[in-house]
Amino acid sequence: DAKTTQPTSMDCAEGRAANLPCNHSTISGNEYVYWYRQIHSQGPQYIIHGLKNNETNEMASLIITEDRKSSTLILPHATLRDTAVYYCIVRSHSGSARQLTFGSGTQLTVLP
Amino acid sequence: GAGVSQSPRYKVAKRGQDVALRCDPISGHVSLFWYQQALGQGPEFLTYFQNEAQLDKSGLPSDRFFAERPEGSVSTLKIQRTQQEDSAVYLCASSVREGIGGYTFGSGTRLTVV
Repeated sequence: DAKTTQPTSMDCAEGRAANLPCNHSTISGNEYVYWYRQIHSQGPQYIIHGLKNNETNEMASLIITEDRKSSTLILPHATLRDTAVYYCIVRSHSGSARQLTFGSGTQLTVLP
Repeated sequence: GAGVSQSPRYKVAKRGQDVALRCDPISGHVSLFWYQQALGQGPEFLTYFQNEAQLDKSGLPSDRFFAERPEGSVSTLKIQRTQQEDSAVYLCASSVREGIGGYTFGSGTRLTVV
């Protein structure tokens, strides 16, 4: 699976949009972009995934650039409960490997 | 149940002791994963089951680590002769379909070896 690069940490004001970037310049054509987050003392939580089209669900929006070399996770109205480590992961849905490969993620702190 | 359940939530073991960590995945979920998460790091893959078959154990750090899922539901991760470097959070995840979509993680078992 392709490697991802994320900023180590970010702050966001409560009620504002949080935009978390991720670079995945070596992504291949059949690899999806996944986002998970991990709140302190909990297991990772799935947020969203996409291939090349932008995606939106009740938690967040995922914007993938046309060349697919980077993406942005958007939390439209961040709350204090969104403080967590956010992981951007690239993986294929085919092939023998099924596991997620986590990097170090971005520590998002939502400030009151 | 509604989510992935792991027990115990915390485990303190003396060095050299054997431990067994349990994972109850969501009913009907085919895929089951074990991860190890050291303090301040992202989770690292240990092993993967599809039903009762262990298809990938490439992440197990040594032969002291053993995992099983005999009936394709509950899984147990066993660590023999625990050492201090085994101290970590052990996470279990399951998925209804192999390889596609998001995985549901449990809250993990925090193992401390003293």
